[in-house]
Amino acid sequence: SQTIHQWPATLVQPVGSPLSLECTVEGTSNPNLYWYRQAAGRGLQLLFYSVGIGQISSEVPQNLSASRPQDRQFILSSKKLLLSDSGFYLCAWSMDHVLGYTFGSGTRLTVV
Amino acid sequence: RKEVEQDPGPFNVPEGATVAFNCTYSNSASQSFFWYRQDCRKEPKLLMSVYSSGNEDGRFTAQLNRASQYISLLIRDSKLSDSATYLCVVGDTGRRALTFGSGTRLQVQP
Repeated sequence: SQTIHQWPATLVQPVGSPLSLECTVEGTSNPNLYWYRQAAGRGLQLLFYSVGIGQISSEVPQNLSASRPQDRQFILSSKKLLLSDSGFYLCAWSMDHVLGYTFGSGTRLTVV
Repeated sequence: RKEVEQDPGPFNVPEGATVAFNCTYSNSASQSFFWYRQDCRKEPKLLMSVYSSGNEDGRFTAQLNRASQYISLLIRDSKLSDSATYLCVVGDTGRRALTFGSGTRLQVQP
């Protein structure tokens, strides 16, 4: 069966520090991968999605970037965090988005 | 106008009550529809897909009205464990990603 792993679960980082969040999927090949952010009390905002290795689509301009170095690995990065980057970051996978997603357990990031 | 709109609630209902949530979407080309459940500080989990003819899963019934671009979720015989935020989710092949509503919070009280 397919599983998705996301880590770390919680993270407290100072303003201006770098960020790297990792997501991996097991039990499937060539999945579509997604990064979403959920600010406190808000809905899910799509940040990036990827349909294959090295293929990244960005939904909103910001100081975050994403990479897909391997088929089942998706990384979210920042060179310098802002206070507004705080939130709940969720990775998801799907073979076709019209079939729905499965989410990882999320990373709660607090920038201080 | 938001792409997917939901009443944020909260809906406070007693155990055993029937409660209905509604959702509207703006893209008439949308082709896939879902309800997700999100518990406090947890990831969203798929509750059910929504099919054109309507579908039922135990105490949960989902309906789709394409003409009005409207989706509903009915929960019968509410349990305390149904307390959560319910997210209306819409997908279309053009965008290659799902669009989430902001969610409706349900609190079932003893």
